[in-house]
Amino acid sequence: LAKTTQPISMDSYEGQEVNITCSHNNIATNDYITWYQQFPSQGPRFIIQGYKTKVTNEVASLFIPADRKSSTLSLPRVSLSDTAVYYCLVGDIRSYIPTFGRGTSLIVHP
Amino acid sequence: DGGITQSPKYLFRKEGQNVTLSCEQNLNHDAMYWYRQDPGQGLRLIYYSQIVNDFQKGDIAEGYSVSREKKESFPLTVTSAQKNPTAFYLCASSIGTAESNYGYTFGSGTRLTVV
Repeated sequence: LAKTTQPISMDSYEGQEVNITCSHNNIATNDYITWYQQFPSQGPRFIIQGYKTKVTNEVASLFIPADRKSSTLSLPRVSLSDTAVYYCLVGDIRSYIPTFGRGTSLIVHP
Repeated sequence: DGGITQSPKYLFRKEGQNVTLSCEQNLNHDAMYWYRQDPGQGLRLIYYSQIVNDFQKGDIAEGYSVSREKKESFPLTVTSAQKNPTAFYLCASSIGTAESNYGYTFGSGTRLTVV
């Protein structure tokens, strides 16, 4: 199971773009990269998943360089409601049991 | 709507009591999981089940027990052997096959407090 490293916390302001980077140096060939969002006293919620290059949905974008040893979650024009903890998970989605580290606590200020 | 239902939302337990947390899903998912979350911490895996009538210990199974008699249900019992049970408990499910890339669906959690 690939070990991930992400910042413990980040601060931003409303309307700014936020980029959260996750390092996963020992990612394996079959591993996907998945990001989750968790609000206080709620379960994590799927945001986005990718394997390589760039993935975009209505919520976020995920950038994955060619070597796949890191990935960046990009949240465009954040609002106060984006204040949450963001988790980066890496593994073979068909067989692994997800391990959630401490994640990145994002605080968006007015 | 399909989803995972955890109940109760809040639960209080006296010292020495066993309590059971409910988790029901109508997503037709094969695999189900239980996690524990302490304040400011990530999620730690307690037990998981990839098929009915089978389950495996996670990283912190001591003091907990589970059953998987039906595909839809995966209850967690916190026994008196669990010395520090006060925490937020999350149940999750996944399809468990290669057809889905969309990961795991979580319930809204049960907050257990020892009084």
